[in-house]
Amino acid sequence: QKEVEQNSGPLSVPEGAIASLNCTYSDRGSQSFFWYRQYSGKSPELIMSIYSNGDKEDGRFTAQLNKASQYVSLLIRDSQPSDSATYLCASPGKSTFGDGTTLTVKP
Amino acid sequence: GAVVSQHPSRVICKSGTSVKIECRSLDFQATTMFWYRQFPKKSLMLMATSNEGSKATYEQGVEKDKFLINHASLTLSTLTVTSAHPEDSSFYICSATRTSVSYNEQFFGPGTRLTVL
Repeated sequence: QKEVEQNSGPLSVPEGAIASLNCTYSDRGSQSFFWYRQYSGKSPELIMSIYSNGDKEDGRFTAQLNKASQYVSLLIRDSQPSDSATYLCASPGKSTFGDGTTLTVKP
Repeated sequence: GAVVSQHPSRVICKSGTSVKIECRSLDFQATTMFWYRQFPKKSLMLMATSNEGSKATYEQGVEKDKFLINHASLTLSTLTVTSAHPEDSSFYICSATRTSVSYNEQFFGPGTRLTVL
């Protein structure tokens, strides 16, 4: 079992909708998580970090961490076509990444 | 966020030659850097973990004699692809870990696209 897993397949939402991306993790000791965005042909870019239980908002992005249920999510409000990318979640110190979730925002 | 650079961004070489890729953390010191390879439409594959002043730790299936890693300073790690072959053509990405009191953040370089003819 991977330490952090993104179980959902490709996600497609219309422009302006809320996109919800989810990860589950197995290590209860994990304290914080990162979300990366990777555009096709580019390297991953760190977009959100969350270190405590609850929500963290940054512009149109909200990261949510639920330690009791061991999941972390990323909400993108008012989705734009420019948000179309693959999103990766990761835990500090865990240098391996899963396949990520590919988001397509349709105009 | 912190800045990690890679050089070159793109390289084309002939089969049998060696190619060196540099990874630098520009505004922080990184005791640990990672090297990844990514094929089109595939996920990042960790190749090795590079620690300053010590030998790199390679992932299973990655040939250490083919992919030479040197982490000479706290801001520089290099990956040398020796005797490159067309199957080594890929997108190589490094990352560097910035450590603070409470957490570590991993920042990626822009990647190097290697084409072996």
